Amino acid sequence: KQEVTQIPAALSVPEGENLVLNCSFTDSAIYNLQWFRQDPGKGLTSLLLIQSSQREQTSGRLNASLDKSSGRSTLYIAASQPGDSATYLCAADNAGNMLTFGGGTRLMVKP
Amino acid sequence: DGGITQSPKYLFRKEGQNVTLSCEQNLNHDAMYWYRQDPGQGLRLIYYSQIVNDFQKGDIAEGYSVSREKKESFPLTVTSAQKNPTAFYLCASSIGVTGANVLTFGAGSRLTVL
Repeated sequence: KQEVTQIPAALSVPEGENLVLNCSFTDSAIYNLQWFRQDPGKGLTSLLLIQSSQREQTSGRLNASLDKSSGRSTLYIAASQPGDSATYLCAADNAGNMLTFGGGTRLMVKP
Repeated sequence: DGGITQSPKYLFRKEGQNVTLSCEQNLNHDAMYWYRQDPGQGLRLIYYSQIVNDFQKGDIAEGYSVSREKKESFPLTVTSAQKNPTAFYLCASSIGVTGANVLTFGAGSRLTVL
């Protein structure tokens, strides 16, 4: 059974800093790895999806990498802004959109 | 604009009562999902449906029931058999369940049992 872990659970950084969020998974037989953003009391917004055959995906200031052999993915946020403050969740897809979610990292970017 | 609408946003229930959460999508997606989120935790899959009149149990289906009579609608009933129903419930949809189909989420419904 897939298990997904995100460390740290919370992170606070000053505005402008580059940062990395970590995601680890136990079963490397994944279709893809997805990153989502969740604002307080809201639903999830898809940020990036990395196919199992890919090593990374980029969208604006966000870059996600995938290393299946080590069971790890990272989300890199460049030049962080207060508007980036949210909870970031990763999810591993082992069976066609049957996602296993991590517990999330709650990010606060201070002005 | 296309999207997913969940209602109500907030719901209070007395112990022993069944409640139904609504989820409607106008994205023409075949697959729909219900997730439960507890504070500080990730999402756990309750039920999913790949096509009208068909649905399967997820990881935590006990105490819940669903129906899929229309492509656009996938209501979730939280029954009195659910021992700890207070949670944030999220509905999602995707084009299908195969391949790299991105999930679109609704804004969620927060259920509190009094």
